[in-house]
Amino acid sequence: SYVLTQPPSVSVAPGKTARVTCGGNNIGSKSVHWYQQKPGQAPVLVISYDSDRPSGIPERFSGSNSGNTATLTISRVEAGDEADYYCQVWDSSSDHRVFGTGTEVTVL
Amino acid sequence: EVVLLESGGGLVQPGGSLRLSCSASGFTFSSYAMNWVRQAPGKGLEWVASVTCSGGITYYADSVKGRFTISRDNSRNTLYLQMNHLRGDDTAVYYCAKDEECTYGTSYFDYWGQGTLMTVSS
Repeated sequence: SYVLTQPPSVSVAPGKTARVTCGGNNIGSKSVHWYQQKPGQAPVLVISYDSDRPSGIPERFSGSNSGNTATLTISRVEAGDEADYYCQVWDSSSDHRVFGTGTEVTVL
Repeated sequence: EVVLLESGGGLVQPGGSLRLSCSASGFTFSSYAMNWVRQAPGKGLEWVASVTCSGGITYYADSVKGRFTISRDNSRNTLYLQMNHLRGDDTAVYYCAKDEECTYGTSYFDYWGQGTLMTVSS
């Protein structure tokens, strides 16, 4: 089955840039979606189709996808960005939707 | 406003059965595929099952295939998950999630419910 690997944690100082990676075999050929989940809350979509930002999501959130790695970038990080982030794709080979392992972003 | 409200969670014994429901409002329910996603305590998200907008085609994770059944009643704007032969590793918060499209595939989950906890334990 298709595996998406994320770093368990990323730490960043306020005002700096956080980058969360999502690794998968030839993930650049797939559409990647990113979700933010704060403690005790349901996930929220922050990036769709690699780099599209839904309405209401700050411009500070952006995404890219190429080769074997997709990346969620959070610019000018704020305390409110502290959360778990998950990437997600559809694997056509198995016809399964797959989530990444998740990354906890901590604002120092 | 899109609202998804899950219900039916609780404590069930190993080998038992349970049916979850998700009541939807604020959008044309019959126009969108629907999904169940779960999260075990302290763990990550796991896709469980999906159903197309008509209810005609269903998809399952390998971990639940043959034990769980996803279905929908478009006249009642309600999504269901029938869970049989439950095991301890099925313990999780179960989220109902709306799909972006009618069909299944590359689309994303654009709205989520708050989840319902199901615990499998003797």
